[in-house]
Amino acid sequence: NAGVTQTPKFQVLKTGQSMTLQCAQDMNHEYMSWYRQDPGMGLRLIHYSVGAGITDQGEVPNGYNVSRSTTEDFPLRLLSAAPSQTSVYFCASSYSTAGAPGTGELFFGEGSRLTVL
Amino acid sequence: GQQVMQIPQYQHVQEGEDFTTYCNSSTTLSNIQWYKQRPGGHPVFLIQLVKSGEVKKQKRLTFQFGEAKKNSSLHITATQTTDVGTYFCAADLHGSGNTGKLIFGQGTTLQVKP
Repeated sequence: NAGVTQTPKFQVLKTGQSMTLQCAQDMNHEYMSWYRQDPGMGLRLIHYSVGAGITDQGEVPNGYNVSRSTTEDFPLRLLSAAPSQTSVYFCASSYSTAGAPGTGELFFGEGSRLTVL
Repeated sequence: GQQVMQIPQYQHVQEGEDFTTYCNSSTTLSNIQWYKQRPGGHPVFLIQLVKSGEVKKQKRLTFQFGEAKKNSSLHITATQTTDVGTYFCAADLHGSGNTGKLIFGQGTTLQVKP
């Protein structure tokens, strides 16, 4: 059981380049989300999805696109990379429990460290 | 801006001392979760609190949820070097159910001197 798998682990881009961070989970979780982590800022939500075909914006969505065509995959696309997008990116998944008071625990991938020059 | 405020940002303690981090929100929370991230690692779930005034313990860790469900704390008794890391609270701010939108506090980074 691999859990949440992120690729690549490290990436260096030049300003203006585009790329996709891949995220896959094998736990059949309905919820998936992308966070970025910067020093002193904690984890900030970029985009999230409550199921295949459904996505929504988080706290810091600008410059990023997502899609959720399958339950397993939730790729994050950087359309035109900027130095401000240098960060560590975490993908997470969570199960849905009917009637639960709030979102369930998140299972995180190991992170993708992105540097934009 | 950050809707879940966590303090302090950093804490340095001598091994054996106690440690507490606090999490506050201006809105009533459905639940609150706590995570630990070791240096270079990814966040790992510790616990979830749901009920007003709830207190849960995990060995030396004590978690509390405020009566008004707007604040929470994590207290570590007699810290050890294995407690080093960043502790995050996280909450589902919108609605009273399962929205999938979990917002994190800024985290408290704990350093323990042996």
